[in-house]
Amino acid sequence: QVRLQQSGPGLVKPSQTLSLTCAISGDSVSSNSVIWNWIRQSPSRGLEWLGRTYYKSRWHYDYARSVESRITISPDTTKNQFSLQLHSVTPDDTAVYYCARDVHGTYGSYDFWGQGTLVTVAS
Amino acid sequence: DVVVTQSPLSLPVTLGQPASISCRSSQSLLYSDGNTYLTWFQQRPGQSPRRLIYKVSHRDSGVPDRFSGSGSGTDFTLKITRVEAEDLGVYYCLQGSHWPPIFGGGTKLEI
Repeated sequence: QVRLQQSGPGLVKPSQTLSLTCAISGDSVSSNSVIWNWIRQSPSRGLEWLGRTYYKSRWHYDYARSVESRITISPDTTKNQFSLQLHSVTPDDTAVYYCARDVHGTYGSYDFWGQGTLVTVAS
Repeated sequence: DVVVTQSPLSLPVTLGQPASISCRSSQSLLYSDGNTYLTWFQQRPGQSPRRLIYKVSHRDSGVPDRFSGSGSGTDFTLKITRVEAEDLGVYYCLQGSHWPPIFGGGTKLEI
């Protein structure tokens, strides 16, 4: 059974960097058959896909246009996890952040989710 | 981007009675490989979303058979034959046929 365990601070100051990690068990971050995603949820934006990474011959990264200038998703093969960094945050980035897995060829059918992390951007 | 619209926003239900949720997309979700990538998720209060149905009508293992998905093109429906108390929460559809993946705004199932 795949399990995704999220960690990271729940409070970030405006203009700083939001950093979260998603530790994977029951699968591999470098598996050729899966994709690792970050999704957030807020009352104003609903559920919003932010970005993804996957390995197929090399590492691939895709980001939502709304955040692509300030987002970084990084895999860590030594710890079997992947991380999210969102730079220059504002209060509008306050949301519950989720990591989620989908399988190649299923196009967004996220079958496993992390437990969610509420991140508040405030001074 | 594709626009995904769910209705209603809120659905008052009676336990034991049927319920139906609509999801409409601004473009056909029929993908070039012949599949339609429309997924339904359930989110109970305080929990992460849980996938119920993928590719319009394929129910995940462990999902009760009172849940069913149907539709094609731009119009899709999630039906519950007899609502149980554990079904209360918010339901989301997601389109994956067009980039980027887009969630609907959600439908809250409540008594």
